[in-house]
Amino acid sequence: EIVMTQSPATLSVSPGERATLSCRASQSVSSNLAWYQQKPGQAPRLLIYGASTRATGIPARFSGSGSGTEFTLTISSLQSEDFAVYYCQQYNNWYTFGQGTKLEIK
Amino acid sequence: QVQLVQSGAEVKKPGSSVKVSCKASGGTFSSYTISWVRQAPGQGLEWMGRIIPILGIANYAQKFQGRVTITADKSTSTAYMELSSLRSEDTAVYYCARVGIAAASNWFDPWGQGTLVTVSS
Repeated sequence: EIVMTQSPATLSVSPGERATLSCRASQSVSSNLAWYQQKPGQAPRLLIYGASTRATGIPARFSGSGSGTEFTLTISSLQSEDFAVYYCQQYNNWYTFGQGTKLEIK
Repeated sequence: QVQLVQSGAEVKKPGSSVKVSCKASGGTFSSYTISWVRQAPGQGLEWMGRIIPILGIANYAQKFQGRVTITADKSTSTAYMELSSLRSEDTAVYYCARVGIAAASNWFDPWGQGTLVTVSS
């Protein structure tokens, strides 16, 4: 099983600032990596697929990068609605999720 | 716009089974797979298994092998997840999600709204 490790577990950032979230795979997943956002009481929402392609309707302030084993989700200028939990997921070999990064207001 | 609508919350006794449904509307059901993911209270996301409706073939995560059964009814565009031998640790929100069939399009989008299953004596 491919293990996905996200860091940090919690990230405190002020509105308007940039947030950088990391995700590492235990073995190469090529670009078969997605990012999801989850708010309390809601289902996860797809943000990024193919490591760097924004899903339909996702604002341009969200960007993804990386390939192989190292991936990054960047939110360029945090809005109030961006504070949530973010999960990475590999779909190169079945499916596994990272443990999540909680993005909180500083 | 594809939408997945799940059945309502369930309360079950330890040792019993639960069956959760996921009905798709607004899209072509058989052109995708349906996966099931669960989330225990305050925890992360855990993939349980998936079904390819057009083939009727299901695959399961090793952790759930023998205890989960995923089926689909193409005539009603509905997928089902049945979990047996329930224990308290199975208390979680269970989600279905649509997944592309092609290997390079296996992201999860959209997701159902989730079904809370509570296992308690």
